[in-house]
Amino acid sequence: GAGVSQSPSNKVTEKGKDVELRCDPISGHTALYWYRQSLGQGLEFLIYFQGNSAPDKSGLPSDRFSAERTGGSVSTLTIQRTQQEDSAVYLCASSQSGVPTDTQYFGPGTRLTVL
Amino acid sequence: AQSVTQLGSHVSVSEGALVLLRCNYSSSVPPYLFWYVQYPNQGLQLLLKYTSAATLVKGINGFEAEFKKSETSFHLTKPSAHMSDAAEYFCAVRPNNAGNMLTFGGGTRLMVKP
Repeated sequence: GAGVSQSPSNKVTEKGKDVELRCDPISGHTALYWYRQSLGQGLEFLIYFQGNSAPDKSGLPSDRFSAERTGGSVSTLTIQRTQQEDSAVYLCASSQSGVPTDTQYFGPGTRLTVL
Repeated sequence: AQSVTQLGSHVSVSEGALVLLRCNYSSSVPPYLFWYVQYPNQGLQLLLKYTSAATLVKGINGFEAEFKKSETSFHLTKPSAHMSDAAEYFCAVRPNNAGNMLTFGGGTRLMVKP
């Protein structure tokens, strides 16, 4: 079956611009996660959605970062007023439920470059 | 807070040799543990996971890992390396009493020499 998909695969933007990154989880998965992978910080958790519950935003690095999940499926990560330190690969993952033993399935990522 | 340490950011082995990638975790309560592999320009793929059942866990592509509570370790092994095993490997921990996110180690890049 189809896996997690993300778009765009690459995004180059200028400092100060806003960007939107999209994630389509595996159909039927109720849990969705965003992570960031950068050379300096490794893999970091950003935000977690589970069903209709309020998202866990504890990993968002600043208030320039926000995310939403519409209809319990597609999610969009928005970065406002991008900075060079936002350059990274943004990975989305989904799991069948929020149970800790569930496998998280990862998408291929969006590589963001802020000039 | 949970944390994961992967000893060795780069490991090089010869084709056919044993692969050993080290992972140690810090937690007052045994967590759930995962190994993921990342090939160039791809997302992460699950190799195996420990969820408090058997301590020796077998995964895909001939990999296995053993959970050792006394050593707080979850090292990844494979008896015989293949060229196709060259990739980056991440150990991750997920608490079994709270939270849902994965906390990752720094990663180990495995190089396989012919």
